[in-house]
Amino acid sequence: EAQVTQNPRYLITVTGKKLTVTCSQNMNHEYMSWYRQDPGLGLRQIYYSMNVEVTDKGDVPEGYKVSRKEKRNFPLILESPSPNQTSLYFCASSAQGWVEKLFFGSGTQLSVL
Amino acid sequence: DAKTTQPPSMDCAEGRAANLPCNHSTISGNEYVYWYRQIHSQGPQYIIHGLKNNETNEMASLIITEDRKSSTLILPHATLRDTAVYYCIVRVNGGSQGNLIFGKGTKLSVKP
Repeated sequence: EAQVTQNPRYLITVTGKKLTVTCSQNMNHEYMSWYRQDPGLGLRQIYYSMNVEVTDKGDVPEGYKVSRKEKRNFPLILESPSPNQTSLYFCASSAQGWVEKLFFGSGTQLSVL
Repeated sequence: DAKTTQPPSMDCAEGRAANLPCNHSTISGNEYVYWYRQIHSQGPQYIIHGLKNNETNEMASLIITEDRKSSTLILPHATLRDTAVYYCIVRVNGGSQGNLIFGKGTKLSVKP
């Protein structure tokens, strides 16, 4: 089954403790992206990657890192999480040249205390 | 990308057609209309897209006016599971900018 898999689904952590949210897709998609969703602010893009070893900042990249060493994986790294990074995170992927038809993961609800 | 305007909320009776409007009066000739929906706290789901002609798939129909300044997403027989936020997005297809911008959308409530 074609899917985007994020882990974990829920995560509670403390300020400053490094964490990684994993994202994997099985559709051989070139494009992958991370969004965060906050009440009243909607979905905002954090980082995206057009292909392996190619990443770029979205609208709200501060405090986040990403890497794209393999086509299928696009982990989101929070080196020193802060409470303002408490949010619902979504990973998405799409085929090259069709950024508009995104497949989203189920989301990761992150709480930073 | 052109700006879109959607009503913040709509109700629909179960089994009836849900017609969700979207205004995009500044759309340019090479911009497509895309629709997504997001069921509570789940990842958004692609529904349908179109350029000029009306489109239909297994989920919905998309009606675009002749002047392309507005469109309507139609769910022909709404069910309770169609309760979601529906996003209308206008964008050049395959554009090089790697960002799909989701607005506030329309919260559709399907009622028994």
